[in-house]
Amino acid sequence: ELKVEQNPLFLSMQEGKNYTIYCNYSTTSDRLYWYRQDPGKSLESLFVLLSNGAVKQEGRLMASLDTKARLSTLHITAAVHDLSATYFCAVDMIGGGSNYKLTFGKGTLLTVNP
Amino acid sequence: GAGVSQTPSNKVTEKGKYVELRCDPISGHTALYWYRQSLGQGPEFLIYFQGTGAADDSGLPNDRFFAVRPEGSVSTLKIQRTERGDSAVYLCASSLGAAGTSTGELFFGEGSRLTVL
Repeated sequence: ELKVEQNPLFLSMQEGKNYTIYCNYSTTSDRLYWYRQDPGKSLESLFVLLSNGAVKQEGRLMASLDTKARLSTLHITAAVHDLSATYFCAVDMIGGGSNYKLTFGKGTLLTVNP
Repeated sequence: GAGVSQTPSNKVTEKGKYVELRCDPISGHTALYWYRQSLGQGPEFLIYFQGTGAADDSGLPNDRFFAVRPEGSVSTLKIQRTERGDSAVYLCASSLGAAGTSTGELFFGEGSRLTVL
């Protein structure tokens, strides 16, 4: 059974600070996804990481993937209040590119304080 | 509409009742997915449709759960004899192309929150 673990589950940080969210998964997979969810809202796709060593950046967020270590990171640079949300990583459960059967982590609730 | 639309947004029912949750995908999207998100957890896969047929229903927890997509667009998730443990947010997603293709990115709706008393 594929397991996806995120840590921390709760993160409170000050504006302007940097931090990293970690996502570990238990079996081989070559696709990893990061999503953002605001309270009562849809899951918004942030990044799709498709290969070992992949790095993607969008604004203050940067995601990377190490398939050998089965680890992805989501790095937050100079946090701002608008980044407050819950962040999920998700891994493709079936290899070969089937991206519908995703296994999600429990999510990291990020609160950025002024 | 521009996004995936789900109705109702909130549903409160009594244990043992029958419930239907509706999903209207993005126009033109051929693939449709149902996930369930319990409090404090990540979404869990339930079922995947490609067109009208259920390509994978292995995530449905038991035979009280059933989903249809008769015309390849709108889908309905049906839950019979609801139990308190069914309380969760039911998320629907759609994608332009089939899962695993370059157009297989999932777009999620805001979910239907089901509470079983």
